[in-house]
Amino acid sequence: SQKIEQNSEALNIQEGKTATLTCNYTNYSPAYLQWYRQDPGRGPVFLLLIRENEKEKRKERLKVTFDTTLKQSLFHITASQPADSATFLCAPNSGGYQKVTFGTGTKLQVIP
Amino acid sequence: GAVVSQHPSWVICKSGTSVKIECRSLDFQATTMFWYRQFPKQSLMLMATSNEGSKATYEQGVEKDKFLINHASLTLSTLTVTSAHPEDSSFYICSAPTSGRADEQYFGPGTRLTVT
Repeated sequence: SQKIEQNSEALNIQEGKTATLTCNYTNYSPAYLQWYRQDPGRGPVFLLLIRENEKEKRKERLKVTFDTTLKQSLFHITASQPADSATFLCAPNSGGYQKVTFGTGTKLQVIP
Repeated sequence: GAVVSQHPSWVICKSGTSVKIECRSLDFQATTMFWYRQFPKQSLMLMATSNEGSKATYEQGVEKDKFLINHASLTLSTLTVTSAHPEDSSFYICSAPTSGRADEQYFGPGTRLTVT
């Protein structure tokens, strides 16, 4: 069955460092993969989308990579700030663009 | 960006009663909306796809008679939890795509349902 795995443990990093979050998937051949941010008690907010033919995508301090051979996406936040503290969800999808299937999420805590 | 609202933001009800949650697209029309449920410290699980003018499509394991969905207009979908029980207590979130692009889907702020 299809499975999406993210670091289940919370990730604590020091302010200013680069945070790297991992998303692994199995039994999927996603045409694209999305990353979302979710704050406590709020709905997810779309951050980035990367397609299968793209190796890397950047947006301000965010960078996403997509390795379809390893079936993995990495999500980086450079120069992290306490305001970046949130849960980050990955969502690999294959067609049926509208249905978003989420991973378990990784909680990031940036320590001042 | 586009805005999706939900009402109410939280609700407490007694076991056996029904609760209606509204999802509205405020500045765009959505022929399709999605309903998710999120239990504490878990990810969002898709419950159903709400289609304007036709029946909703439910994911496997979701009881359609318990979770009634009505897509009344191009800007409104409602989820009614019928005969609610404590195990239905959860965070319910809706989403709506603004276009055919995958990166143009917006989520509502969520509704916290507590059944006592």
